[in-house]
Amino acid sequence: GENVEQHPSTLSVQEGDSAVIKCTYSDSASNYFPWYKQELGKRPQLIIDIRSNVGEKKDQRIAVTLNKTAKHFSLHITETQPEDSAVYFCAASTSYKLIFGSGTRLLVRP
Amino acid sequence: SAVISQKPSRDICQRGTSLTIQCQVDSQVTMMFWYRQQPGQSLTLIATANQGSEATYESGFVIDKFPISRPNLTFSTLTVSNMSPEDSSIYLCSVEKGSGNTIYFGEGSWLTVV
Repeated sequence: GENVEQHPSTLSVQEGDSAVIKCTYSDSASNYFPWYKQELGKRPQLIIDIRSNVGEKKDQRIAVTLNKTAKHFSLHITETQPEDSAVYFCAASTSYKLIFGSGTRLLVRP
Repeated sequence: SAVISQKPSRDICQRGTSLTIQCQVDSQVTMMFWYRQQPGQSLTLIATANQGSEATYESGFVIDKFPISRPNLTFSTLTVSNMSPEDSSIYLCSVEKGSGNTIYFGEGSWLTVV
C-alpha cells in the first residue's frame, strides 16, 4: 500500500524567512496531494492541495510543488509569520483514502 | 467546504466502557471517513462509511472494536468499544466534498480513557 514519508519532523525559522517541508510517496497511482495545518487542540485544516496533472500551485504565501517522476512533493511557505507555527501534515491519495505523513512541527520565531 | 459537527467534543471515559461519537454534515455526502490521531502522532484511517452498506475497515481496525453506522447521507456514528488507555486519541470524522478528492475534517472528539 501507499507509504508517505515527511521531513523534517521539526523546523524552526525566523519570522520572515521561508520554510520548506518535503514528502515522498511510494504509490505511483496516487493522484491527489493535500496539505493540512493543525494548530494545538484543533482539527487539521486543509491549506492547499495539488493534483497529479499539475506541477505547482500557489495561494498567496503558500505554494506546493509536485514531481511525479521522483514521487515527491513539497510545501513552501514564504514570509513566515508567528501564526504559521503549527504542525503540518502532507498526505497522498489514489482515490479518496488519505495516507498521511508523520507531520512537521513548524516554529516561527518572532 | 463542509460544516462537520462532532459530538462529544471531549470526554473522559472509564476503562472497559464504550462510547459512541456522532458526526453530522450540513449536506449530503457519499463518503464519510473516520480517522484516529493518537497523542503526538499523525492521522490514521480507521474505516470508510458508505450509506446503505457495511463500513470498510483498514488493516489493524476491526468492526467489533469500532462499529460504525451510516443511516443516511448526512450522519454517521463511530463506537469505541471496551476502551483501554491505548484508545485515548482524537477521533475525527471526515467527508469528501467538492471537486475530486478534497477531504474535510470535523472538529474532532478528544477521548481520554482512565
